[in-house]
Formats: sequence, C-alpha cells, structure tokens
Amino acid sequence: RKEVEQDPGPFNVPEGATVAFNCTYSNSASQSFFWYRQDCRKEPKLLMSVYSSGNEDGRFTAQLNRASQYISLLIRDSKLSDSATYLCVAGTSYGKLTFGQGTILTVHP
Amino acid sequence: DADVTQTPRNRITKTGKRIMLECSQTKGHDRMYWYRQDPGLGLRLIYYSFDVKDINKGEISDGYSVSRQAQAKFSLSLESAIPNQTALYFCATSDSPGTGEGNEQFFGPGTRLTVL
Repeated sequence: RKEVEQDPGPFNVPEGATVAFNCTYSNSASQSFFWYRQDCRKEPKLLMSVYSSGNEDGRFTAQLNRASQYISLLIRDSKLSDSATYLCVAGTSYGKLTFGQGTILTVHP
Repeated sequence: DADVTQTPRNRITKTGKRIMLECSQTKGHDRMYWYRQDPGLGLRLIYYSFDVKDINKGEISDGYSVSRQAQAKFSLSLESAIPNQTALYFCATSDSPGTGEGNEQFFGPGTRLTVL
C-alpha cells in the first residue's frame, strides 16, 4: 500500500464547475500536509498547506481529518488555468515529505 | 534568477555510463533533496541532506549516490546508468521545520534523463 494515495483521475470538468480531490495517508506520525500543483513538464509548486481546522484560499478549500487520515481539496468555479496535476503530500515532524502519485485535472471551455 | 537550478536540463546517455546531475540553490536553505518522477508513480525520494555533513538514503537509493559539496550544492550521481533510471529528476530545498517557510519544499526545474 502506498503511503499517500490519490485517485489519479483524470478529472475532466467544464469551466465553472466545482471539483473535489481526495487523498488518504497511512503514516499516523505525519504532522504536516500540503497540496502541490504541477503543470505539464514543470516542477511542483506549493498550492496550499492543509491545517486541522481546514483552510481556504480564494476558490480553493483544503480539509484534513486526522482521525480518518484523509485530506481533501475543493476547487470552486474552475478556470481553464486550473488544469494541472494536483499532488497530495504528507510530512513528518522532521521535514521529510511523501508525495501521492497525483490527480490530473483538465478544465475545458 | 531561479532560486533552485539544475544542470543539465536534458541528458541522453548510454547504459553503463556515469552521469552527474547538479543542483544549486540561492535560498539559503540547509535541507536539500533529490527525487525522481515516473508516470503513475509520483515523486519518489532518492536521497536527502539536512546539512552539509548529513546524507540520508530515501525510498529508492540503490544505483545512486550523492555529494553535498556546500550548503548551496547537492549533486546526484548514477555510477553506471541503466535504462530503468530513465525519468524526470527533481532537486528540492527546504528550510528547517519551525523556522521561516517550514516544511515547504521548493523545486528546481527538473532534469529529463534518458538512458538508452
């Protein structure tokens, strides 16, 4: 079993749609959580950190459920520019990160 | 100028050749990492270094070695390249947890390596 698992998709949605990605992690010692975005043939970049209380950044909302070891990302009002691969990440207290395999999102007109 | 740079950006080599991939950073971070990315497998950690005198194996270190020449430089070597080492390689850096940017990792642009 992979330490961080995501539905690889692909998700194909129209502009304006709401889309949700889910992720589970198996290492109960994980302390920090993130969503990274990776455009085709580019490096991953941090989209947002994920906090226990849930957090929002514009159209993006991230949630963490420690009891279920589950992380989610909600994107509202999807834009064409949201098309990318979204990587779920869990980190230990000493800074080592484990990446999921990524979920591919395509937003079409 | 990019904060994390990698050279070369693309490399094609033959089985059995020795290859070195280089990474430099201007972020002043102590921690540096090497990952490889394969389709459907995501990013997998090869080696990481928390300071100049610290080197640790990651998930898939076999067939690779690293050198931390300075705080700003971390090199990855393939002593005898084989075709299944064909992949996209990323270097990353981070600050120490609890300081500044914490656990966020900043990635270089990647090196696309093909082993024939």
